[in-house]
Order: sequence, then structure tokens, then C-alpha cells
Amino acid sequence: QVQLVQSGLEVKKPGASVKVSCKTSGYTFTSFGVSWVRQAPGQGLEWLGWINANNGHTNYAQTFQGRVTMTTDSSTTTAYMELRSLTSDDTAVYYCVRDWNYDLDYWGQGTLVTVSS
Amino acid sequence: QTVVTQEPSLTVSPGGTVTLTCASSTGVVTSGFYPNWFQQKPGQTPRSLIYSTSNKQSWTPARVSGSLLGGKAALTLSGVQPEDEADYYCLLLSGGLWVFGGGTKLTVL
Repeated sequence: QVQLVQSGLEVKKPGASVKVSCKTSGYTFTSFGVSWVRQAPGQGLEWLGWINANNGHTNYAQTFQGRVTMTTDSSTTTAYMELRSLTSDDTAVYYCVRDWNYDLDYWGQGTLVTVSS
Repeated sequence: QTVVTQEPSLTVSPGGTVTLTCASSTGVVTSGFYPNWFQQKPGQTPRSLIYSTSNKQSWTPARVSGSLLGGKAALTLSGVQPEDEADYYCLLLSGGLWVFGGGTKLTVL
């Protein structure tokens, strides 16, 4: 069965960076892409960007351009999302989502990133 | 940047039918926006219901359907059950980038 399992809770100070991992299984990793979505406490969903797991091509939301980097490691079927220059506004649950052919079907369980001094 | 607008809240009676809509600030929503719909219950991960306007996931109940209606994407729930009470989010592709709507809180009362 398709699974996306994310890394655990992160607590960071303002100005720091965070790197969240998303270990996938149950499907051919390089045949799909991965989107990253976040949800601040009590708020809606926000799309950060997408990476093609076959060739590494990325599309980032304008809001995060220059501050986010998405990568993949096909040897471990893992996707990564790094966000830099964190502020308290980046406190949120971050999700990885399998994304291909305009279908975002399977979601990771989410990783809470807390930014606090 | 494209803004995607949904009804903030809707209320429906059990057994009733409700339609949620999703509008784009760029104009008419077409199939080229590849609308997706997600359901999220409190404390849970979002769950995909519909992709590319009207295609259902294998787990999507038959009483849930997606369409284009009046220049917007639409999600219709028929024979609403108490367990349908949740937040619903639409997602549109605009300029090669995905944009979420603000979500609709659906109350079953």
C-alpha cells in the first residue's frame, strides 16, 4: 500500500532552517511527484511547491521562492523540504503529498514545525 | 497571484444535498484548472475526494461528486451524513502553480 511517512516534530529558533523528510513506499517513486503543503494552527491549507521525483524539476509558490528547496533521493525513495530564515509565521504542520497527473492522492501524516525564541 | 474563494461556512440537514463552490480571481474556472477537493476532519490529515474536476478516488463515497457550475468548480454531497461534517478545501492549478481556497466549514445540523 502507498505510504508517506514523515519525520518528527521540529522546534526551531527564528532565523534557523528546517529540513523535513518524507519516506515513501508502495509505489514507483520516480513515476510520481511530491507536493508540500502546510497548515498553520487553526488556518487553511497552503501549497509550498512540487518536485518531480524523476528529474528533480521543481515549481515553488511565489511566496516561498528563494526560501524553500525541495529535493529527492531515489535510492531511499525519500523527498525532502528545506525552509530557511524561519519566523513565527512558519509555525505549522507540513505535509508531503504524492502528486502526479493533477491528482494529489496520498498524504503524509504531517510534521509539526514550531518556531519560537 | 491567483486568489481562490470558497464559502466560509455552510449548513445542511442530514439526508440533504449541498453544493460547495470554488472560484478563481482570474475568471471562469475550467477543466484546465484541474480542480481538486479535499476533506479534513478535526485533528486529521486532509483526504483527497476529487481530482481533475470530477474524478473520484477509490475511497470517495458515491454520493460525493465534482463538477463545473456557473464558472466555478463545485463539490456536491447528496444524502449528507453526520460524518460529512468537516472542512472542505478546493485546489486549483493556475499559471502552473497550485493554489488552495480558504476552505468551507460544513455543518450537518
